[in-house]
Amino acid sequence: GAVVSQHPSRVICKSGTSVKIECRSLDFQATTMFWYRQFPKQSLMLMATSNEGSKATYEQGVEKDKFLINHASLTLSTLTVTSAHPEDSSFYICSASSSGVNNEQFFGPGTRLTVL
Amino acid sequence: AQSVSQHNHHVILSEAASLELGCNYSYGGTVNLFWYVQYPGQHLQLLLKYFSGDPLVKGIKGFEAEFIKSKFSFNLRKPSVQWSDTAEYFCAVNAETSYDKVIFGPGTSLSVIP
Repeated sequence: GAVVSQHPSRVICKSGTSVKIECRSLDFQATTMFWYRQFPKQSLMLMATSNEGSKATYEQGVEKDKFLINHASLTLSTLTVTSAHPEDSSFYICSASSSGVNNEQFFGPGTRLTVL
Repeated sequence: AQSVSQHNHHVILSEAASLELGCNYSYGGTVNLFWYVQYPGQHLQLLLKYFSGDPLVKGIKGFEAEFIKSKFSFNLRKPSVQWSDTAEYFCAVNAETSYDKVIFGPGTSLSVIP
């Protein structure tokens, strides 16, 4: 299957700072990328959907000013958690989809964010 | 709105036992269905998927799932589990009208005892 990477895999930051997480599709062009949040022992909650070159579509309850998503190219999307607080600590997972593979999403390994 | 439910939160089985994990979804139109697995400390992997055709879908590692449209179900099965199947299993649904958006179920934690 296709490979999706995330960087960093783990980040610890102080409250009030901003953190950027990168998601890259390594061997295919991702027309759509998704950002999920996973709390311990829980399922993935879709935060937003981003299409290359356009604004992201956020799910209900997700603050677009707090979770900035940029999908500037067909292989890269970034999620910036602005003014992070301890309650933002979570596992953030991205996935990428190419329109040519029947909606299958390929998942990145995730980024563990801890806000002190 | 779409939603996905999974019947069991946590399942404990002995090795060689048969497995069936329930999944139901709510959406009246055409759907694509998926089962993903997340092994401890690893990222999500696709086990199998159903888009169209034969409702009995075979996936990797001996897993299969059956789509029963009349029951809005997509249950995952394996005839004989192994200790290495210990993982979190997620059912997911994509409604064709919502493009690529996939909604995940709450997950079922499977523990296989040697």
